[in-house]
Amino acid sequence: KQEVTQIPAALSVPEGENLVLNCSFTDSAIYNLQWFRQDPGKGLTSLLLIQSSQREQTSGRLNASLDKSSGRSTLYIAASQPGDSATYLCAVRGDRGSTLGRLYFGRGTQLTVWP
Amino acid sequence: GAVVSQHPSRVICKSGTSVKIECRSLDFQATTMFWYRQFPKQSLMLMATSNEGSKATYEQGVEKDKFLINHASLTLSTLTVTSAHPEDSSFYICSARDDGSTVVPDTQYFGPGTRLTVL
Repeated sequence: KQEVTQIPAALSVPEGENLVLNCSFTDSAIYNLQWFRQDPGKGLTSLLLIQSSQREQTSGRLNASLDKSSGRSTLYIAASQPGDSATYLCAVRGDRGSTLGRLYFGRGTQLTVWP
Repeated sequence: GAVVSQHPSRVICKSGTSVKIECRSLDFQATTMFWYRQFPKQSLMLMATSNEGSKATYEQGVEKDKFLINHASLTLSTLTVTSAHPEDSSFYICSARDDGSTVVPDTQYFGPGTRLTVL
């Protein structure tokens, strides 16, 4: 069964710092990996999606990398801002058998950026 | 971009009552929708996969008679929590798979969630 782990569980940093959030998964048979943002009491906003054949994706100050063989992904946030404060979720999508199409989520990293 | 709505956004009910949550894809068709549950500081856990015109597929440990799913059209799926109890209090989120997506096949779009509190 696919298990997704995110480290750290929580992170508190001053504004302007560059951050790295980590995600690991146990089964490398994935179709893609996605990073989401969730604000308190809200739904999910997709940030970046990396296909299994890709190594990284970039959007503005965000960069996500994927090492499928080692089961790892990182989300890099440059020059963090208070508006980045949220919970960041990593999810992998299975690519075969009973896992096909399913999303498996980590517990998230709760990020606080203070001014 | 594609939008998924949920109604209601928040509901408080008494123990023993039933609560219906709607999930709608507003500008695309979705043969498949997913229902997730999220407890505080926990991850999203898939409860069931909802398929238009057929029975939902439930994950292990999820009671199908308690969590009734109806996917009657290509844009609407409903989740009914029957005889709700305080332990059912949670954040329920749906997602819908865009049938017509060509940029990233089978892209899922998430609703804003429904906060259920059972007293």
